[in-house]
Amino acid sequence: EDQVTQSPEALRLQEGESSSLNCSYTVSGLRGLFWYRQDPGKGPEFLFTLYSAGEEKEKERLKATLTKKESFLHITAPKPEDSATYLCAGNSGGGADGLTFGKGTHLIIQP
Amino acid sequence: KAGVTQTPRYLIKTRGQQVTLSCSPISGHRSVSWYQQTPGQGLQFLFEYFSETQRNKGNFPGRFSGRQFSNSRSEMNVSTLELGDSALYLCASRSLSATGDTQYFGPGTRLTVL
Repeated sequence: EDQVTQSPEALRLQEGESSSLNCSYTVSGLRGLFWYRQDPGKGPEFLFTLYSAGEEKEKERLKATLTKKESFLHITAPKPEDSATYLCAGNSGGGADGLTFGKGTHLIIQP
Repeated sequence: KAGVTQTPRYLIKTRGQQVTLSCSPISGHRSVSWYQQTPGQGLQFLFEYFSETQRNKGNFPGRFSGRQFSNSRSEMNVSTLELGDSALYLCASRSLSATGDTQYFGPGTRLTVL
């Protein structure tokens, strides 16, 4: 069974304090590892898709990386507006084509 | 380009009733997926439609069904509602191209079952 586990569940940082969010996955025949940002009461906002170990993608203060077992979302010098829940999801090539989501990391950036 | 739209945004129903939710994908996208989001289970895959055909289905009872029309708009239906069906229902519009796979979500429909 495909599984995606995110840690930590919650993280509180000071503005400017860089950190990383972790996503461990066991997804058969991974065809993509997705990162989303979700604000309260809204749908997830697409950030990145990674396909192979060693791949990296960046967007503003965010950088996502992928290994054979994990993905990391690095947040550099975060601002209060980066506060949100960050979701990781795997797309399996072995069965149902839907995304398997982790429970998310709730990130709070304090000014 | 307009994003994914879902209607209605909020819905209140009572147990035993049925409900239909609607999703319009991004123009040009032919794949639509549905997800259920609850605080306890997180986001769970319901089903995916492509060119009016259901391609994949998640582990949900038969009370959950869907369809897709020729203009790619999709509807999902839940019959005989239960309290546990209260959730945020999200629709995702999928683009598969040479540059990659992206799935864009709509704002969701908040369903409350009383």
